[in-house]
Amino acid sequence: EDQVTQSPEALRLQEGESSSLNCSYTVSGLRGLFWYRQDPGKGPEFLFTLYSAGEEKEKERLKATLTKKESFLHITAPKPEDSATYLCAVQVRGGSYIPTFGRGTSLIVHP
Amino acid sequence: GAGVSQSPSNKVTEKGKDVELRCDPISGHTALYWYRQSLGQGLEFLIYFQGNSAPDKSGLPSDRFSAERTGGSVSTLTIQRTQQEDSAVYLCASSRATGEETQYFGPGTRLLVL
Repeated sequence: EDQVTQSPEALRLQEGESSSLNCSYTVSGLRGLFWYRQDPGKGPEFLFTLYSAGEEKEKERLKATLTKKESFLHITAPKPEDSATYLCAVQVRGGSYIPTFGRGTSLIVHP
Repeated sequence: GAGVSQSPSNKVTEKGKDVELRCDPISGHTALYWYRQSLGQGLEFLIYFQGNSAPDKSGLPSDRFSAERTGGSVSTLTIQRTQQEDSAVYLCASSRATGEETQYFGPGTRLLVL
């Protein structure tokens, strides 16, 4: 069974304190791994797609990396506006196109 | 252009009543997805449409749940005889085509069954 586990469940940072969120996955064959950001009361907003181990993508203070077993979302010098829940999802090669989502990491950045 | 819209944004109903949730995808997007998000849980896949057909209904939790899509555009998710455990946020997403990785989500409908 395909599984996606995100850790930690919650993370509190001070503004400027860099950290990383983890998404570990167990799938038969990875087609793509996605990161989304979800603000309270809103739907998820697409951030990145990663396809192969070693791939990296960046957007402002966020950088996503991928290995054969996990992905990290690195947040450099976060600001309070980075506070949100970050969701990871995987899409399996040769299977349904429906991604499997993790439960998310709730990030709070204090000023 | 306009994003995915959903209505109503909030719905409070009594146990046993039927509810209809509506999703307007991004114009031109052929794939449409319904998910459910409960407090502290991940997104639970319910059903997806490619055009007007639903190749995968495996996520519907019971036969009280049904969905349709007409004209390759608007979709309606219907929950009959609602139960308290149906309380959740129902999210709709669309993408240009099935397999297109970027799903664009609507704001969701918050359903509370009393």
